[in-house]
Amino acid sequence: EVQLVQSGAEVKKPGESLKISCKGSGYSFTSYWIGWVRQMPGKGLEWMGIIYPGDSDTRYSPSFQGQVTISADKSISTAYLQWSSLKASDTAMYYCARGPVGIAAAGPSDYWGQGTLVTVSS
Amino acid sequence: EIVMTQSPATLSVSPGERATLSCRASQSVSSNLAWYQQKPGQAPRLLIYGASTRATGIPARFSGSGSGTEFTLTISSLQSEDFAVYYCQQYNNWPLTFGPGTKVDIK
Repeated sequence: EVQLVQSGAEVKKPGESLKISCKGSGYSFTSYWIGWVRQMPGKGLEWMGIIYPGDSDTRYSPSFQGQVTISADKSISTAYLQWSSLKASDTAMYYCARGPVGIAAAGPSDYWGQGTLVTVSS
Repeated sequence: EIVMTQSPATLSVSPGERATLSCRASQSVSSNLAWYQQKPGQAPRLLIYGASTRATGIPARFSGSGSGTEFTLTISSLQSEDFAVYYCQQYNNWPLTFGPGTKVDIK
């Protein structure tokens, strides 16, 4: 069974750093892209970026380039999303989602993690 | 960046009725269009990809159509579990983009 299990909710202060995780199981982790999606409170879905764990090829949406870092550790089948300096506007639910298999980064997301709620407040 | 729009923003439907949701792309995305369903407190679920192919386990009452810039998601006979928000997403061009969503609620 394919599963993406995300790390738990976080409460942070502005300016703090954070790294959240997404562990894949039940499939070949290195063969599928893994993407991150933001959902701000009461709002829609925003695609942030995507990584291919096989070679760490990473693409960012322009809106998120430079704001976050996406990485992966294929030895433990885990993808990460990190911030170096959080802002209150980073408060949101963050989902990881499995993307396409192979070379093409663009494709539908067939499996999703349960989400990680990040709250940034002073 | 391709901008996706969806209409209507809210659709009020009675159980058993048909629901038709629309999605438009600011430029052609060919058939590289997916639909997702999201219920409160849950992650999105893939319903349709390739504009018209149902994902694994999705009931036949969900169907997708269209290509280029105009797409439609049809739910043939709404069940109680179908009341949710529906998002379209294009994956033809980077960055991938979602529409703002259509909320289907009970009339």
